[in-house]
Amino acid sequence: EDQVTQSPEALRLQEGESSSLNCSYTVSGLRGLFWYRQDPGKGPEFLFTLYSAGEEKEKERLKATLTKKESFLHITAPKPEDSATYLCAVTSGGSYIPTFGRGTSLIVHP
Amino acid sequence: NAGVTQTPKFQVLKTGQSMTLQCAQDMNHNSMYWYRQDPGMGLRLIYYSASEGTTDKGEVPNGYNVSRLNKREFSLRLESAAPSQTSVYFCASSERAGGPNEQFFGPGTRLTVL
Repeated sequence: EDQVTQSPEALRLQEGESSSLNCSYTVSGLRGLFWYRQDPGKGPEFLFTLYSAGEEKEKERLKATLTKKESFLHITAPKPEDSATYLCAVTSGGSYIPTFGRGTSLIVHP
Repeated sequence: NAGVTQTPKFQVLKTGQSMTLQCAQDMNHNSMYWYRQDPGMGLRLIYYSASEGTTDKGEVPNGYNVSRLNKREFSLRLESAAPSQTSVYFCASSERAGGPNEQFFGPGTRLTVL
């Protein structure tokens, strides 16, 4: 059974204070690792897909990286508008049904 | 494109009442999903439809039924609502049934069962 663990559960940063969110996974044959952003009262919004160890993707202040055991979402010089819950999900083997982690709630203070 | 739309946005039911949550997507996606999201539990899959004409149970299907009406629409029905079904319900879609592919989510339905 696929398992996804996100840490920390909650993170408070000052504007401009860079940090990283972690997503550890246990799967048999990773097919894809996904990062989503969820704003309060809204549905998750797709950010990135990573397919293999060593892969990196960037979007504005966000950079996602992948190893064989975990993924990091690096946030560089965050702004208050980056405040949201960030969700990680994986698909593995022959299944396209993702397993989601419980998310990291990020608050960036001005 | 509207993406994934859900109706209603909010609903209050009494125990034992029934209701149907509606979902539609305009991205010509093959696969559609229903999730519930509860505090501390994350997203849990209720039912999914790999393609038009097929439906399968997810992690928490008890108390729910689904209908894939056509390629665009996927509805979730609560036949006899219970307080344990108080939750936020999200519909999602993805392009194809095989291989890893990202999901696109609707805005959610916030359901309270009294």
